[in-house]
Amino acid sequence: AQRVTQPEKLLSVFKGAPVELKCNYSYSGSPELFWYVQYSRQRLQLLLRHISRESIKGFTADLNKGETSFHLKKPFAQEEDSAMYYCALSGGSQGNLIFGKGTKLSVKP
Amino acid sequence: GAVVSQHPSRVICKSGTSVKIECRSLDFQATTMFWYRQFPKQSLMLMATSNEGSKATYEQGVEKDKFLINHASLTLSTLTVTSAHPEDSSFYICSAIDRGVTKNIQYFGAGTRLSVL
Repeated sequence: AQRVTQPEKLLSVFKGAPVELKCNYSYSGSPELFWYVQYSRQRLQLLLRHISRESIKGFTADLNKGETSFHLKKPFAQEEDSAMYYCALSGGSQGNLIFGKGTKLSVKP
Repeated sequence: GAVVSQHPSRVICKSGTSVKIECRSLDFQATTMFWYRQFPKQSLMLMATSNEGSKATYEQGVEKDKFLINHASLTLSTLTVTSAHPEDSSFYICSAIDRGVTKNIQYFGAGTRLSVL
């Protein structure tokens, strides 16, 4: 079964601390993995995708096929990173996404 | 970047009435659009996938006759909640893919909050 698991509902860190938002997936083929972010009162937007292998706003995520993980990391969290983060998997031919339940990141001053 | 407009942002209706929600891609042609439902403090649940000019594909458990989806053009998809009841109250979000340029990236609308009295 296709599934995305984000084990943490809430992650609270202090400004400047490293942050890692966990994401594990279950998929039989070769999925495409994404991280979407939703800032307060804003729409959901793409943060990064695994095939791009880029760093956005200091965040990186590496696809680990052996561990079926796609954890999101940032070495030094900023207050403006506070948001809801969703890990998502795309495996269908139409590009439909399967979302995890999301992790709320709170960065305290 | 690609912009998806969703209208209305909020609607309040009486039980038994129908409500139409529009989703437009403003600066690209959306061959595929998606409709999600989000309950409070929960993740997005895919309701259906719609392709321009063809019937929508509904996820298991989603009533086709309840949630009518029309994708008549490459820039517009509509979701009609027919004979709405209080249990249909939710946050509905659409998204669109521009397959020609950025394959598989979904661009999201701002959502519609439906309250059925």
